[in-house]
Amino acid sequence: GPKVLQIPSHQIIDMGQMVTLNCDPVSNHLYFYWYKQILGQQMEFLVNFYNGKVMEKSKLFKDQFSVERPDGSYFTLKIQPTALEDSAVYFCASRPGRRSGNTLYFGEGSRLIVV
Amino acid sequence: GDSVTQTEGPVTLSEGTSLTVNCSYETKQYPTLFWYVQYPGEGPQLLFKVPKANEKGSNRGFEATYNKEATSFHLQKASVQESDSAVYYCALTPNYGNEKITFGAGTKLTIKP
Repeated sequence: GPKVLQIPSHQIIDMGQMVTLNCDPVSNHLYFYWYKQILGQQMEFLVNFYNGKVMEKSKLFKDQFSVERPDGSYFTLKIQPTALEDSAVYFCASRPGRRSGNTLYFGEGSRLIVV
Repeated sequence: GDSVTQTEGPVTLSEGTSLTVNCSYETKQYPTLFWYVQYPGEGPQLLFKVPKANEKGSNRGFEATYNKEATSFHLQKASVQESDSAVYYCALTPNYGNEKITFGAGTKLTIKP
């Protein structure tokens, strides 16, 4: 089936440093999402993105967070600076255009550990 | 805003027994309802979805009926297997309007042999 690829799968970073999580969404998908899952807890919505713009973001999407997809390449989540509470698995997801279906396809996650 | 409430986990069952994971939702819009499954170390994947009220979705022996009157979408399976151990998420998205998908808290299911 359709695949969403996430790079890196794991990253350990010092608190205060910058990190960029990369997502290669399903080809021809138009809507992109980031979700955060702290170990053992539920998955929580961070942000969705369409046509080069953030459509909606949650309270978890702090000012230190940003997303972009320059020139149709990777959809990225950048955290600058990182904090200890940013340690989690971050899932990227994508979906087709509105007329092509509303199923969300997830990557396998990027595990971020902030020390 | 939209919300999804599902059976609080963890749930532990013996192989061969029946499963029900309750899901209720609130929305002012006309939604598509989903069940997603997340296996350890993986991202969530679609189990099945139902876009229309009073219809049933099913996959791999799991099924759920979109009950508009009761605003429910309970997940059921007659006989669970050890390989069904996973976290199950109920979710909804409006059929028209914004593109946000709202997930429930997830129900962790463990099946013992």
